[in-house]
Amino acid sequence: EDKVVQSPLSLVVHEGDTVTLNCSYEVTNFRSLLWYKQEKKAPTFLFMLTSSGIEKKSGRLSSILDKKELFSILNITATQTGDSAVYLCALKIIFGKGTRLHILP
Amino acid sequence: NAGVTQTPKFQVLKTGQSMTLQCAQDMNHNSMYWYRQDPGMGLRLIYYSASEGTTDKGEVPNGYNVSRLNKREFSLRLESAAPSQTSVYFCASTRQGPGDWTDTQYFGPGTRLTVL
Repeated sequence: EDKVVQSPLSLVVHEGDTVTLNCSYEVTNFRSLLWYKQEKKAPTFLFMLTSSGIEKKSGRLSSILDKKELFSILNITATQTGDSAVYLCALKIIFGKGTRLHILP
Repeated sequence: NAGVTQTPKFQVLKTGQSMTLQCAQDMNHNSMYWYRQDPGMGLRLIYYSASEGTTDKGEVPNGYNVSRLNKREFSLRLESAAPSQTSVYFCASTRQGPGDWTDTQYFGPGTRLTVL
């Protein structure tokens, strides 16, 4: 059975800290892994990862995939209060439970 | 483009009442999805429609029915609402089908449903 497991489920840090969010998965036929950010409403797309070892970057956010060890990480450097959200990892239609990130000013 | 729209935004029902959640997309996407999101449970797929005229069950279909009215619209119906269906419901769409993993989902703003 395909599944996605995220850790930690909840994280509280201070503004300026760097955080690493984890996503491990099991899937029969891997094609891609996606990260979404969810603030108060709908999830919005962050990254799609298809190849191992290639880092995707967008400003202070970056993500990388390890297809051998079946995991991905999402890094956020120099965190800001606006980064507070739930971060979701997904294999197309299978979602993890999310990591709720709260940034203290 | 409005993207994916959902109505209503909020709804309160009594146990046993019925209602239909509406979803529409204007991106000419082929596939549409209904999810529910409960605290600590992430997003769980209820039903999806890979293309106009087809629908399939997801992870948690019991107590729901769907209709893919046309390419733009995909509705979710609760025939006899139960308190366990209290949740936030999201509609989403993708250009390709659920088997095409090189494709991101676009989500609607959600419907917050409370069943008393």
